[in-house]
Amino acid sequence: GAGVSQSPSNKVTEKGKDVELRCDPISGHTALYWYRQSLGQGLEFLIYFQGNSAPDKSGLPSDRFSAERTGGSVSTLTIQRTQQEDSAVYLCASSLDSGGAYEQYFGPGTRLTVT
Amino acid sequence: QKEVEQNSGPLSVPEGAIASLNCTYSDRGSQSFFWYRQYSGKSPELIMFIYSNGDKEDGRFTAQLNKASQYVSLLIRDSQPSDSATYLCAVRDSSASKIIFGSGTRLSIRP
Repeated sequence: GAGVSQSPSNKVTEKGKDVELRCDPISGHTALYWYRQSLGQGLEFLIYFQGNSAPDKSGLPSDRFSAERTGGSVSTLTIQRTQQEDSAVYLCASSLDSGGAYEQYFGPGTRLTVT
Repeated sequence: QKEVEQNSGPLSVPEGAIASLNCTYSDRGSQSFFWYRQYSGKSPELIMFIYSNGDKEDGRFTAQLNKASQYVSLLIRDSQPSDSATYLCAVRDSSASKIIFGSGTRLSIRP
């Protein structure tokens, strides 16, 4: 079946512009995660959506970052007034999160470059 | 702050040998544990998950879990150059339900 998809695969933007990154989870997966990974670094948790529960936003680095998940499926991560330190690969993952199945599956990522 | 600890490496193993990757975690209530492989420039790929104490085998990979010691390991038998990658250990937080990742161990298989 189809895996997690993300778009765009690459995004170059000027400092100060807003960007939107999109994630399409695996069909039927109720949990969706956003992570950030800078070059040579580990995964940095950003936000977690689970069904209709309030999202866990504890990893968002500043109020310039926000995310929403519409209809329990597609999610959009928005970064306002981008800074050069926002340059990273943004990864989305989804999991079924029911029946004991908590394995996460990752999308290919969006590489964001802020110039 | 719940943590997942891994040795960053690099761990260098000769081709054909067993590679042993280790991970410790702080959340005593955790019940679900995962190993991911990440090639350079690619996203993490799930290779093993384990939910019960003991060993779980899948091909050349064996995951080992010891909840009393809060320790999980990954063994790779007959290591191949294609196994060279960063291996991420991940643990499901028992209270917050989200997955916590370690920083990864870089594995290099030398021919």
